[in-house]
Amino acid sequence: GQNIDQPTEMTATEGAIVQINCTYQTSGFNGLFWYQQHAGEAPTFLSYNVLDGLEEKGRFSSFLSRSKGYSYLLLKELQMKDSASYLCAVRDSGDSSYKLIFGSGTRLLVRP
Amino acid sequence: GAVVSQHPSRVICKSGTSVKIECRSLDFQATTMFWYRQFPKQSLMLMATSNEGSKATYEQGVEKDKFLINHASLTLSTLTVTSAHPEDSSFYICSASAGGPETQYFGPGTRLLVL
Repeated sequence: GQNIDQPTEMTATEGAIVQINCTYQTSGFNGLFWYQQHAGEAPTFLSYNVLDGLEEKGRFSSFLSRSKGYSYLLLKELQMKDSASYLCAVRDSGDSSYKLIFGSGTRLLVRP
Repeated sequence: GAVVSQHPSRVICKSGTSVKIECRSLDFQATTMFWYRQFPKQSLMLMATSNEGSKATYEQGVEKDKFLINHASLTLSTLTVTSAHPEDSSFYICSASAGGPETQYFGPGTRLLVL
């Protein structure tokens, strides 16, 4: 079966660093994505990992370990605007449509 | 970056009516479009995958006769919620891909409220 797990909620302080974990068990794997979604809006793309290791993009970094079925999103120098839901999604390799399977999302609250 | 639009952004309708939602890729040709539904405080649930010129592939549990999907061109896909009921009230989001292993680009979403 397909299963993607993330913590439901996290709270952090402005200026701090937060790590959001994601574990997955899927029948196929063709990459892992992280999206940010503010309430009432569509998701926006943050990062993509297909090989093991760390991908850094400004204040955001994402890590992948395929052997462990594990990824994390690291947010540095947190800002109030980073309060949002963060969605982990795995791309299935089972067919040519490259569909994404989403985790339940992690709601991050950044406090002053 | 690639832009995907949806129309309408918000719709309120009476129970039993049908609602059509359009998804357009504005600056690229979308070989594949995906339709998602999101209930409050939940994640995106894939409803169906739509390839231009062919029938949509529906996920398990999604009624194909209730959620009609048409992908008539490389820039337009439509989702029609037929005989809508209050339980169909949700946030419907489309995404588009130019094909191959690359990211999907999401539309802004359509909020449907069925009274």
